[in-house]
Amino acid sequence: GAVVSQHPSWVICKSGTSVKIECRSLDFQATTMFWYRQFPKQSLMLMATSNEGSKATYEQGVEKDKFLINHASLTLSTLTVTSAHPEDSSFYICSARENPPYNEQFFGPGTRLTVL
Amino acid sequence: AQSVAQPEDQVNVAEGNPLTVKCTYSVSGNPYLFWYVQYPNRGLQFLLKYITGDNLVKGSYGFEAEFNKSQTSFHLKKPSALVSDSALYFCAVRDFTRSGNTGKLIFGQGTTLQVKP
Repeated sequence: GAVVSQHPSWVICKSGTSVKIECRSLDFQATTMFWYRQFPKQSLMLMATSNEGSKATYEQGVEKDKFLINHASLTLSTLTVTSAHPEDSSFYICSARENPPYNEQFFGPGTRLTVL
Repeated sequence: AQSVAQPEDQVNVAEGNPLTVKCTYSVSGNPYLFWYVQYPNRGLQFLLKYITGDNLVKGSYGFEAEFNKSQTSFHLKKPSALVSDSALYFCAVRDFTRSGNTGKLIFGQGTTLQVKP
């Protein structure tokens, strides 16, 4: 299957700083990418749908100004956690959806964010 | 609204025994169903999917799933469990309820599979 990478795989930051997480589709183009958040031993919660060349679509309850998403190319989406606080500590997973006609969705390995 | 339920938080089986991880769904229209596996601190790995066709779907690592329309179920199965199968398993359905659907997946709560030697 296709490969999706995330960088960094883990990050520790101080409260109040901003952290950028990258999601890349390595061998396919993805107009659409998704950002998920996962708490320990829980399911994935969709945060937003990232669309290349347009604004992201956020799920209800997700703060747009807190979690900035930029999908500047067909292979890269970034999630920036602004003014991070300890409650933002979580495992963030992205997925990339192949462009038609395949439409398969592939997941990145995740990024562990710890805010001190 | 489309939804997926995994009624068991944890399933315990002995190595070599058959395993079943349960999933039921609620959708309007024909379901697109998926199973993923997640190992600790890792992303999700695709196991198999049902779109149309045969009700028995074969996937990666010897797993298979049976689509049952009358029972709205899509249980994951494997004839002989391995200790290395121990992981967190997610059932998911593709959401087609929104206009301009982008292929958003709705996940179940997850089931931890523990295979003991």
